[in-house]
Amino acid sequence: DSGVTQTPKHLITATGQRVTLRCSPRSGDLSVYWYQQSLDQGLQFLIQYYNGEERAKGNILERFSAQQFPDLHSELNLSSLELGDSALYFCASSVVNYGYTFGSGTRLTVV
Amino acid sequence: AQSVTQPDIHITVSEGASLELRCNYSYGATPYLFWYVQSPGQGLQLLLKYFSGDTLVQGIKGFEAEFKRSQSSFNLRKPSVHWSDAAEYFCAVGTYVSGNTPLVFGKGTRLSVIA
Repeated sequence: DSGVTQTPKHLITATGQRVTLRCSPRSGDLSVYWYQQSLDQGLQFLIQYYNGEERAKGNILERFSAQQFPDLHSELNLSSLELGDSALYFCASSVVNYGYTFGSGTRLTVV
Repeated sequence: AQSVTQPDIHITVSEGASLELRCNYSYGATPYLFWYVQSPGQGLQLLLKYFSGDTLVQGIKGFEAEFKRSQSSFNLRKPSVHWSDAAEYFCAVGTYVSGNTPLVFGKGTRLSVIA
């Protein structure tokens, strides 16, 4: 157990639907990062939050959004889902010296 | 912007043989460099990291990596591979601006180990 908890582990949904992925960071970590892992694109950075505020944005689609709550857990919302959104979605948390700790991921399958 | 290249998509080595996985990065300033390992169905686990100082860094599971600024490389090595080392390996680069910038990952090298 890495200390970073992601739920659910697996998600199967239809095109056009909306889903929410949840991440609880390791205790004491203020930064949360979301990454998408697919076979063709590899690990792509989506978005970073630090203590509730958006800190950096990567290749995140407009259909995707995220937030970090006062208790520091984060949610990634994916809407109008397409087949190409099928991927592994990872959350990682860290303290200032890059102690990135990854969760075990959510595997999203869009059918 | 930073970028990372892992030239080898797939490498097969015999158990007990030595291993070197290549990583080249592109970044103008001093980078922070990392190697992660991912077993099937698992998240990424940090093997080792380089921030500054000694260019040869030791990590977990008997791995080491050497930072060579002149070659923009950060290759991962292990003197004797075990079957349990079969996994996907990712090199990553980051830096510190006003806070940690998100890590940029290479596309990974899949390691197979044969008897």
